[in-house]
Amino acid sequence: AQSVTQLDSQVPVFEEAPVELRCNYSSSVSVYLFWYVQYPNQGLQLLLKYLSGSTLVKGINGFEAEFNKSQTSFHLRKPSVHISDTAEYFCAVYSSASKIIFGSGTRLSIRP
Amino acid sequence: DGGITQSPKYLFRKEGQNVTLSCEQNLNHDAMYWYRQDPGQGLRLIYYSQIVNDFQKGDIAEGYSVSREKKESFPLTVTSAQKNPTAFYLCASRPRLWGLQQKKNYGYTFGSGTRLTVV
Repeated sequence: AQSVTQLDSQVPVFEEAPVELRCNYSSSVSVYLFWYVQYPNQGLQLLLKYLSGSTLVKGINGFEAEFNKSQTSFHLRKPSVHISDTAEYFCAVYSSASKIIFGSGTRLSIRP
Repeated sequence: DGGITQSPKYLFRKEGQNVTLSCEQNLNHDAMYWYRQDPGQGLRLIYYSQIVNDFQKGDIAEGYSVSREKKESFPLTVTSAQKNPTAFYLCASRPRLWGLQQKKNYGYTFGSGTRLTVV
């Protein structure tokens, strides 16, 4: 069965510093991976997705993620964060039963 | 603009009362999903529907019911059997998976959520 593990529940960083949010997945079939962002009291918005091809995926708002099959990871990165990036981030994997399985989320807090 | 509309944004339920959360989409998506979100637990799947008049239980279906009479609508009823209903509820949808567009259609579109509180 597919699953995702987000290793950090909270990540505090200073503004303009780089950030990496970690995600590891477990899957026995073809892997389709996603990162979503959720701002307070809102729904989820797709940041980026890996379906196949290049292992480096670029998304919106300057985020990117790298698919690493040998390490079963799909970490999200941004070279320089802004206050507006304060949100909760969810890693997700598409399961074979037509469902997306979400991780428990990582709360990113930006300090000025 | 196309999208998913969830209503109401805030809902208060008394003990023993059934309430229904609305989810409407005008994206012409085939599949629709209901998730429950609790702090620190991510999103848990309640019910999903891939076509009209058909739906399947997710991981935490007990105490909930759904219907899918129209493609555009997937209402969720929180029944009195749900002992801890206070949570943030999210509805999502995605297009049909077929042909060359299949991979592109794997992602979901989400509504803005309904926060349910028991009083």
